[in-house]
This record gives sequence, structure tokens and C-alpha cells, in this order.
Amino acid sequence: AQRVTQPEKLLSVFKGAPVELKCNYSYSGSPELFWYVQYSRQRLQLLLRHISRESIKGFTADLNKGETSFHLKKPFAQEEDSAMYYCALSSTGANSKLTFGKGITLSVRP
Amino acid sequence: DTGVSQDPRHKITKRGQNVTFRCDPISEHNRLYWYRQTLGQGPEFLTYFQNEAQLEKSRLLSDRFSAERPKGSFSTLEIQRTEQGDSAMYLCASSPLGWSGGADTQYFGPGTRLTVL
Repeated sequence: AQRVTQPEKLLSVFKGAPVELKCNYSYSGSPELFWYVQYSRQRLQLLLRHISRESIKGFTADLNKGETSFHLKKPFAQEEDSAMYYCALSSTGANSKLTFGKGITLSVRP
Repeated sequence: DTGVSQDPRHKITKRGQNVTFRCDPISEHNRLYWYRQTLGQGPEFLTYFQNEAQLEKSRLLSDRFSAERPKGSFSTLEIQRTEQGDSAMYLCASSPLGWSGGADTQYFGPGTRLTVL
């Protein structure tokens, strides 16, 4: 069975501080990992996916298969980063259903 | 096309009533997903369509739940004889066919919040 664990519910940092949102997964095959973000009163949207290896809004995430982790990082947090962040896993194949973690609230204080 | 839309955005109903939600995916997206999200949890997969064919249903989807996607365009999710435990946000997502070997990017709608009294 596939599972995504986000061990923390809330992370509160000051503007300019580094951010690391943790995500661990379990999956028997070769998964694809995603980070989705939900800003206040907005819909869930894709932030980044591991296969693209992009940096979006200053965020990066590296897939570590040995540690089965996909932590999201940003060196200098901005107030506009305050949102709910969900780590998600998808199997490859016909049904790319997503398995989500419980999410973490990031609060960036001025 | 402004993205995935869902209707209604909010629904309050009494226990035992039937409700139906609608999802309009992004044009030409042939994959459509339904998820349910309860307080403090991430979205949980309910069911998946490729065009008009419903290809997978979660065990979360009891016999009271049914979903359709006639003609492979919009989709409806019906809950019969609602229970208080059905109160949740129901999310719809759509995606194009993924490139070979890759999972598709899913685009989410705003959700329908169901409250069962």
C-alpha cells in the first residue's frame, strides 16, 4: 500500500528564515512525488513534481529513495509562502491517483 | 477555459437525503478524479474516469455513492441516503493523458463542501 507521512502539522517561521517541510513515503514500486499548495481561499494547485527538478517560487525538493523522503525546502521564506502544503505520491500507469499526506500549515511571520 | 469548475460550492442537507454534485473538467482533459477531504486530512481518492469509463473505485466509495461521466465530459457524484459522516469537501480534478511512463499533473476544482445535519 502507498502511504505519505507529513510528521508536522504546523511550521511557523520568521520572514527570511529557511524552511523545510518534511515528507516521507512508502511505496513498493517507483513512485512520482509532488508537492501541492493551497493558499487561503484558493484551490489546491501543483507546486512542483520531482521529475521536473524545477525550482518554483524558490522552493526545491529532492527525492531521496534511500530515505524514502521528498522534503520541500526554501532558503528564505516570504510572507506570501504562508499556506497549506501537501505532499502527494502517484503510481505511474493508467490510474495516476494521488495519495496525499495530511498536510502542513506554513506560517511566515513578518 | 478557466479551469475545473464544481457546482454547487456548498451544500447543506438533512440526513437521509440524496445529493448530487457536478464537476466540469478542463476541456479535452480525458482523465477525471474525485477525492474527499475531511477536516485535518489530505484529500483521499474516491474514483477515476478515463473518458466515460469509470476505471477504479476506492473502498471508501460505499454503495450509497455513485459517479458517472456521460460522454466523457462533465461528471456527477451522487450520494444517496446521506449520513453525517459524509460531511466533507468533495474535490474534482482533471488531467490530460500523461506522457509515456509519467504520472499526469492533476488540476483541481474549488470543491463542494457538504454538510449533513
